Amino acid sequence: AQKVTQAQTEISVVEKEDVTLDCVYETRDTTYYLFWYKQPPSGELVFLIRRNSFDEQNEISGRYSWNFQKSTSSFNFTITASQVVDSAVYFCALSEKNNAGKSTFGDGTTLTVKP
Amino acid sequence: ETGVTQTPRHLVMGMTNKKSLKCEQHLGHNAMYWYKQSAKKPLELMFVYNFKEQTENNSVPSRFSPECPNSSHLFLHLHTLQPEDSALYLCASSQETSGGLSTDTQYFGPGTRLTVL
Repeated sequence: AQKVTQAQTEISVVEKEDVTLDCVYETRDTTYYLFWYKQPPSGELVFLIRRNSFDEQNEISGRYSWNFQKSTSSFNFTITASQVVDSAVYFCALSEKNNAGKSTFGDGTTLTVKP
Repeated sequence: ETGVTQTPRHLVMGMTNKKSLKCEQHLGHNAMYWYKQSAKKPLELMFVYNFKEQTENNSVPSRFSPECPNSSHLFLHLHTLQPEDSALYLCASSQETSGGLSTDTQYFGPGTRLTVL
């Protein structure tokens, strides 16, 4: 069975601080996909990134970066120089290749960035 | 219109009412999903339609009835709901390969905030 754990329920930082959101997953499949979504107060889940299990290369997109480590089953998300607009709930999700449509989401981490 | 749209955005209904939620995707995807997001609970997958056929029903009560008339539209018909059904209902779509292999990203709509009195 697949499982996603986001141990941090809430994080509060001051603007311009760096912040890392943790995500640990469990799966028996050898091929799987990991995602991060952002849910602002409006409610819509906004896709941020998808990572395939066979590609451990870390990725940077502007102020966002992701650290994928299969050895520790983690897919952590770092925001550099955080901004107030980054305040949202962030979800990590896992989808197994042979489990069509059955994405498992973590409980989410609520990030508050204070000015 | 682009992406995934949902109507209505907010809905208040009594327990004896019948209402429907509508989702439309403009991405050319072939799979659509209904999720329920309750306060302080993780996102729950309710229904999955691949190529217009229902492939997943996660033990959802019969008072929720999905309908997928074509690959662009998805409905959730509501009947005699309970107050605990109050939640944000999110629709998503993705492009799935044939054979049921899950490969692609799900794109979400803005959700319908449902309140059952």
